[in-house]
Amino acid sequence: NAGVTQTPKFQVLKTGQSMTLQCAQDMNHNSMYWYRQDPGMGLRLIYYSASEGTTDKGEVPNGYNVSRLNKREFSLRLESAAPSQTSVYFCASSGRLAGGYNEQFFGPGTRLTVL
Amino acid sequence: GENVEQHPSTLSVQEGDSAVIKCTYSDSASNYFPWYKQELGKRPQLIIDIRSNVGEKKDQRIAVTLNKTAKHFSLHITETQPEDSAVYFCAGPFEGGGNKLTFGTGTQLKVEL
Repeated sequence: NAGVTQTPKFQVLKTGQSMTLQCAQDMNHNSMYWYRQDPGMGLRLIYYSASEGTTDKGEVPNGYNVSRLNKREFSLRLESAAPSQTSVYFCASSGRLAGGYNEQFFGPGTRLTVL
Repeated sequence: GENVEQHPSTLSVQEGDSAVIKCTYSDSASNYFPWYKQELGKRPQLIIDIRSNVGEKKDQRIAVTLNKTAKHFSLHITETQPEDSAVYFCAGPFEGGGNKLTFGTGTQLKVEL
């Protein structure tokens, strides 16, 4: 079991460039999440997917798009990168019980720098 | 929506001492409060969580207490060890439910020898 995997580990972009961050999980989880982590600001939810084919905005969705390609994969796209999007991006997944909360398992993160 | 505030932002203790980190929340309907630990350069990992039907939960040297009246919950680490040095995040339910979380801003804990 690899758990939650992310690619790439590091990326440097120029302002205006686009890229897609990939995330996959092999735990048969329904829910998947994208967070960004900035110094002093904790983890902030960008987008969320409760199941294949559904996505929902989180706290900071502007400038991002997501695709829940299938149950395993959830990608995050930056269409036109800006320096304010320099951050560490974490993908997470969780199994879901009706009416309950469950542990979120995080990927290793992608460190993105936008120049 | 839920707003979670965490204090202190940094905490330094001597090895063997106890450490306490406190979080407050705003939504009285919130019912799930996890704590995550993040070592330097690593991913966050769940260390303990509590649901609103209990007031305290323990797991070896770690405990979490919940005061629903005052809307705060705390992480207690006893007999601290150098490997406890990390950033700790509390969290609460994000608006709209669905297992989404809103995180506190983190506490950098340093355990000094």
